[in-house]
Amino acid sequence: GQNIDQPTEMTATEGAIVQINCTYQTSGFNGLFWYQQHAGEAPTFLSYNVLDGLEEKGRFSSFLSRSKGYSYLLLKELQMKDSASYLCAVRGYGQNFVFGPGTRLSVLP
Amino acid sequence: GAVVSQHPSWVICKSGTSVKIECRSLDFQATTMFWYRQFPKQSLMLMATSNEGSKATYEQGVEKDKFLINHASLTLSTLTVTSAHPEDSSFYICSASTSGSRHEQFFGPGTRLTVL
Repeated sequence: GQNIDQPTEMTATEGAIVQINCTYQTSGFNGLFWYQQHAGEAPTFLSYNVLDGLEEKGRFSSFLSRSKGYSYLLLKELQMKDSASYLCAVRGYGQNFVFGPGTRLSVLP
Repeated sequence: GAVVSQHPSWVICKSGTSVKIECRSLDFQATTMFWYRQFPKQSLMLMATSNEGSKATYEQGVEKDKFLINHASLTLSTLTVTSAHPEDSSFYICSASTSGSRHEQFFGPGTRLTVL
């Protein structure tokens, strides 16, 4: 079966650091993606991991451990505009993606 | 680069009518296109995967006769919601993927369908 878990909601303060975790159990693994989605809009790509380790991209970093079926997205120097849903998605066999339930992040002043 | 458009962005229709949504890759050739549905405060649910020139592959529980998908070219896929009912009201999002090692999906802006 395919299962991806993320916390439903998180709250953090402007300027702080927040870590959003994602655990997955999928039949096959060909990469893990993180997307940001603002309400009423389509998802936008944030990061991609296929090998173990940390990928850093400005204020955003993503980590993957394939043996643990675990990833996290790290957001630094939070800004109000970072309030959004963050979706973890795993690409299994072929090109199909399985999306997690998403984590709604609220950044407070 | 890698821009995907959807049309219309917003549609309201009467129950029983059919609605066609277009998804276009504007600056690249999409070997595969995906159609998702998203209900409020929920994540994306894959409806079907389509490759140019072949029949779409539908996910379990998605009626292929109700949600008709046509992927006639490498830049255009259409989703037709036939005999729409209020429960079909949702946010429909397409994405396009190119061949290549990363197979990243590029999402369209979405179409909000409201069936009265």
